[in-house]
Amino acid sequence: DAGVIQSPRHEVTEMGQEVTLRCKPISGHNSLFWYRQTMMRGLELLIYFNNNVPIDDSGMPEDRFSAKMPNASFSTLKIQPSEPRDSAVYFCASTPRDRTYEQYFGPGTRLTVT
Amino acid sequence: EDQVTQSPEALRLQEGESSSLNCSYTVSGLRGLFWYRQDPGKGPEFLFTLYSAGEEKEKERLKATLTKKESFLHITAPKPEDSATYLCAHEGSARQLTFGSGTQLTVLP
Repeated sequence: DAGVIQSPRHEVTEMGQEVTLRCKPISGHNSLFWYRQTMMRGLELLIYFNNNVPIDDSGMPEDRFSAKMPNASFSTLKIQPSEPRDSAVYFCASTPRDRTYEQYFGPGTRLTVT
Repeated sequence: EDQVTQSPEALRLQEGESSSLNCSYTVSGLRGLFWYRQDPGKGPEFLFTLYSAGEEKEKERLKATLTKKESFLHITAPKPEDSATYLCAHEGSARQLTFGSGTQLTVLP
């Protein structure tokens, strides 16, 4: 199994630009999570989906952030417009059915907004 | 407010020098306490899950234990390849994980 796949691995963009991060979960997993990790705040849950449906987006910082999961094998996290404080590593994770604690993380996308 | 606090923030050990990492929690209705390992430049990797006080889990040189207020990750005779950041997390009522800030472990050869 290829594991969780994220792209791009690194993204550098200017303030005000739109950024789209992509995630392909492990086949057969039915829950998908988006996290943000920074030195100051650690690992924070942004949003999670169960069976492609958003369950809890209370961790999404503000309206500039949006996430979609159009099918079981693909999800996007979009930031529009981006700001320097959005600079972080963004992780996607997926889990097998009924084992939400056993999260399989992707390699992350390191986002730098200048 | 549910909280998970890890200590120490960083720990340096000589190879073979056993020690313990601490994760204390103030969670109403703990559904589970979990340990993950994170290597630099990678996502966290699941290690253990603990559900009830007194429970223990082992994997190679690692043993996780749980009491009513805290969990310990014991590392016996560590090797340099055990160097990583160790994260603990709890599962809340909404089936989400809340992670602690982690302990960065360095094992020197």
